[in-house]
Amino acid sequence: NAGVTQTPKFQVLKTGQSMTLQCAQDMNHNSMYWYRQDPGMGLRLIYYSASEGTTDKGEVPNGYNVSRLNKREFSLRLESAAPSQTSVYFCASSVSSGMGTGELFFGEGSRLTVL
Amino acid sequence: GENVEQHPSTLSVQEGDSAVIKCTYSDSASNYFPWYKQELGKRPQLIIDIRSNVGEKKDQRIAVTLNKTAKHFSLHITETQPEDSAVYFCAASSGRRALTFGSGTRLQVQP
Repeated sequence: NAGVTQTPKFQVLKTGQSMTLQCAQDMNHNSMYWYRQDPGMGLRLIYYSASEGTTDKGEVPNGYNVSRLNKREFSLRLESAAPSQTSVYFCASSVSSGMGTGELFFGEGSRLTVL
Repeated sequence: GENVEQHPSTLSVQEGDSAVIKCTYSDSASNYFPWYKQELGKRPQLIIDIRSNVGEKKDQRIAVTLNKTAKHFSLHITETQPEDSAVYFCAASSGRRALTFGSGTRLQVQP
């Protein structure tokens, strides 16, 4: 049972390049999330998907897009990367039917550097 | 939306001492308050959570208390050990939105 798997683990981009972070969970969870983690700022929500077919903006959505491809997969796309998007990105999933009220299972994280 | 503030940002204790981390939240509708531990280079993992119908919850050496009137909740770790060294995050949710996290507390337990 792999849990939450995200790829790639490391990526270096130049300003203006695009990329997609992939996330998949095998726990049959309904809800999936993308957070970014920056020093001293905790985990900030970028986008989330309460259930298959729905996506919503979080606290810091600008510069990102997401796709809930199916119940297992939730991808995060940077269309034109900026140095301010240098961060560690975590995908997470949860089974709870009430938004935000169940345990989050995190992936291992993806460290992105934008030069 | 919800705003969660966490203090202190860093905390250093001697092995065997207790550690307390405090958080305040802004949304009076919040009813779920988890704590996550993140070891260096690892993913965050849930260590304990509390819901608004409970004032205190314990699990071995860790406990969480909640004061809904004052809108604050705290994590207590007793008999700290070196393996407790990590970054701890509090979070809050009303059930209508995803979790909002605090900024984290780096706990260092000195042997």
